[in-house]
Amino acid sequence: GAVVSQHPSWVICKSGTSVKIECRSLDFQATTMFWYRQFPKQSLMLMATSNEGSKATYEQGVEKDKFLINHASLTLSTLTVTSAHPEDSSFYICSARLVQPGAAGTQYFGPGTRLLVL
Amino acid sequence: GDSVTQMEGPVTLSEEAFLTINCTYTATGYPSLFWYVQYPGEGLQLLLKATKADDKGSNKGFEATYRKETTSFHLEKGSVQVSDSAVYFCALSDRGGADGLTFGKGTHLIIQP
Repeated sequence: GAVVSQHPSWVICKSGTSVKIECRSLDFQATTMFWYRQFPKQSLMLMATSNEGSKATYEQGVEKDKFLINHASLTLSTLTVTSAHPEDSSFYICSARLVQPGAAGTQYFGPGTRLLVL
Repeated sequence: GDSVTQMEGPVTLSEEAFLTINCTYTATGYPSLFWYVQYPGEGLQLLLKATKADDKGSNKGFEATYRKETTSFHLEKGSVQVSDSAVYFCALSDRGGADGLTFGKGTHLIIQP
């Protein structure tokens, strides 16, 4: 159980175009999902917290107009990289929080999406 | 802000060797601590966690003890196997996982037969 999928697994796009990445919790509902970014040989950096039915909360230094997040249902969050540029090339990873009685919840991670902007 | 520091890799060991991967943290609150593992081509998986001081998390032969006095959460395993080869991430969360996680840089572990 507690499987999270991401689509696509990799994408190549031209500079200036927009790219949408989907994150789905397959067998549980997640009111909260998170988006991370990972550079080569670096750690995962939290970009934003996605809350179902409300606006996302962005970390300091992350442009909310650049990285649009929508959490329209309890099983789906999307990250859209708008007007992508080569410096946006990275590995984007989402997680979904499974809330359990009496506990704050455990995050389950998707396999990641590799974005290459030419 | 919060931060996690873990030993740089790659760490190369022979099968059945003893493993220690060091992890220390700084946090403004009283965080929960986690170890995640990433096998080649797969997403991060929770390996173990501890939510308060002196708690020991354990799973698949791995253990880590929450040491508040030394702000550490070192990962150990008594006898590693080739299948343990992966990247290991130490992480913390200020609200037990309710908030986004702060990760260390990851340690690439290579186990040779």
